[in-house]
Amino acid sequence: LAKTTQPISMDSYEGQEVNITCSHNNIATNDYITWYQQFPSQGPRFIIQGYKTKVTNEVASLFIPADRKSSTLSLPRVSLSDTAVYYCLVGAYNTNAGKSTFGDGTTLTVKP
Amino acid sequence: EAQVTQNPRYLITVTGKKLTVTCSQNMNHEYMSWYRQDPGLGLRQIYYSMNVEVTDKGDVPEGYKVSRKEKRNFPLILESPSPNQTSLYFCASSSLSTRDGQETQYFGPGTRLLVL
Repeated sequence: LAKTTQPISMDSYEGQEVNITCSHNNIATNDYITWYQQFPSQGPRFIIQGYKTKVTNEVASLFIPADRKSSTLSLPRVSLSDTAVYYCLVGAYNTNAGKSTFGDGTTLTVKP
Repeated sequence: EAQVTQNPRYLITVTGKKLTVTCSQNMNHEYMSWYRQDPGLGLRQIYYSMNVEVTDKGDVPEGYKVSRKEKRNFPLILESPSPNQTSLYFCASSSLSTRDGQETQYFGPGTRLLVL
């Protein structure tokens, strides 16, 4: 499983766009990048997954450069309810077969 | 409603008294996992299961047992709990898909355990 590195914490204000970057220098060819969101005392929740270039859904966008050694989760116009811990995971179930490493995550605090 | 359930949600016990935390999913998922979460240490995988009767160790398996006799259930067993197993525990399930990618995990609400 590729090791990931994220900033420990980030602050933002309501209405701003937030970008959280994850480094994964040892990403394998068939690995995907997945982001989860976790609120205090709740289980993580899937946000978005991608392999290359850009992926967008109703919640976020995921930008992955050509070398795939990093990725950026972009949250448009954050609100107070986006305050949470965000985790970046790298892997592929057909090789990892259930094994999963979450890392420390990034604590995002959105201020009014 | 598709969900992962855990019981109990809160548990206070004493050192050495065997306990079981149950986990059940209604999504017919093949994969199930147990994690523990401690302040400053993030989520760490304890055990995982790829299907019935197939389990393997995660990153922190010491002091824990699991079993997967039915596809929907994946209980976590602490044969002799110790205070260092005081933690927040999460069960998760995910589906084996024919497409490429990384499985999307669905998490339960968590079980907060205190071992005195």
